Amino acid sequence: AAGVIQSPRHLIKEKRETATLKCYPIPRHDTVYWYQQGPGQDPQFLISFYEKMQSDKGSIPDRFSAQQFSDYHSELNMSSLELGDSALYFCASTSGQGARKLFFGSGTQLSVL
Amino acid sequence: LAKTTQPISMDSYEGQEVNITCSHNNIATNDYITWYQQFPSQGPRFIIQGYKTKVTNEVASLFIPADRKSSTLSLPRVSLSDTAVYYCLVGDPPRGQNFVFGPGTRLSVLP
Repeated sequence: AAGVIQSPRHLIKEKRETATLKCYPIPRHDTVYWYQQGPGQDPQFLISFYEKMQSDKGSIPDRFSAQQFSDYHSELNMSSLELGDSALYFCASTSGQGARKLFFGSGTQLSVL
Repeated sequence: LAKTTQPISMDSYEGQEVNITCSHNNIATNDYITWYQQFPSQGPRFIIQGYKTKVTNEVASLFIPADRKSSTLSLPRVSLSDTAVYYCLVGDPPRGQNFVFGPGTRLSVLP
């Protein structure tokens, strides 16, 4: 069965650079969530989209933005990267019929040097 | 969303049954209880979900008392590969509203 696909798997950037993370949800899933997980920490909710519209917003810095496209894939854009942005970024998707169950991707490991 | 409280860590031995209890005193009428498992550097994986009484699947059982203010995840005969962090999430958010991950339980299975 198809899963949530995230790219790239690993990303190395320097301070003040920009990064774009991509998420391809499971086919027919209309809702996408983004989470950030620092080393030894629990996943922190960043932002979510339902039917291409922003649905909810968590502790997402103003330097970050995201959107969901017509094909339901989503991109998280991160600018002016800081050392503290180094983390594992997960994307999860769900469909209307199973809105309480999230399917997670393998994540993008972002390292800011 | 209901706040949850779980033990920070638990140790067990292979072959034993492990029970992890989650407290959610302010659970709302429409809230469901969902458990996720996470291995290092991997995304959380759905284990089981329930609303009341008992739910069982091929991986685990979920026990929910009548007042629904707590729930217990039961893992039968754990193996070393069950070493992971387990998260209890409670809520029934409208589509797209956030699921909050609280501090999970770090389960260590020893040989």
